Amino acid sequence: KQEVTQIPAALSVPEGENLVLNCSFTDSAIYNLQWFRQDPGKGLTSLLLIQSSQREQTSGRLNASLDKSSGRSTLYIAASQPGDSATYLCAVGDNYGQNFVFGPGTRLSVLP
Amino acid sequence: NAGVTQTPKFRILKIGQSMTLQCAQDMNHNYMYWYRQDPGMGLKLIYYSVGAGITDKGEVPNGYNVSRSTTEYFPLRLELAAPSQTSVYFCASSYSGVGRRTEAFFGQGTRLTVV
Repeated sequence: KQEVTQIPAALSVPEGENLVLNCSFTDSAIYNLQWFRQDPGKGLTSLLLIQSSQREQTSGRLNASLDKSSGRSTLYIAASQPGDSATYLCAVGDNYGQNFVFGPGTRLSVLP
Repeated sequence: NAGVTQTPKFRILKIGQSMTLQCAQDMNHNYMYWYRQDPGMGLKLIYYSVGAGITDKGEVPNGYNVSRSTTEYFPLRLELAAPSQTSVYFCASSYSGVGRRTEAFFGQGTRLTVV
């Protein structure tokens, strides 16, 4: 059974810092991995999708990497801003597209 | 383009009552999902559907039922509501086809409280 963990559970940084969020998964037989952002009381917003054949994806200040063999993905946020404050979730897509297994999330606070 | 739309946004149920959570998507996605999110926990899959007329159980299906008569709609039915079903429910959709699979899109959620 696929299990996804995220470290740290919570993170507080001053504005302008670069930061890394970590996601680990136990079964490397994945189809893709997706990073989401969730604001309090809101739904999930997709940030980046990495297919299993890819090593990384970039969108603006965000860069996500994937190392299937070690069961890890990282989300790098450059020059953090207070508006980046949210919970970040990673989800692993299984090989059949029938499920996304979610991690518990990392709650990020960027202080002005 | 509305994406994934869920209704209602909030609902309070009494123990033993029933209700249907509505979900609609306008992206012609074949896959649809229902998740629940409990405080401090990741999302857990309740049911999913790979296309109209096809549904299957996820990790936590007990106490729920689904149907998928069309591509667009995927309602979730709660029978005999229990306090353990107090949660936030998310509907999602994605497309999976030969050589192509899209990202998952989520609705805004339904916050359900059972008292």
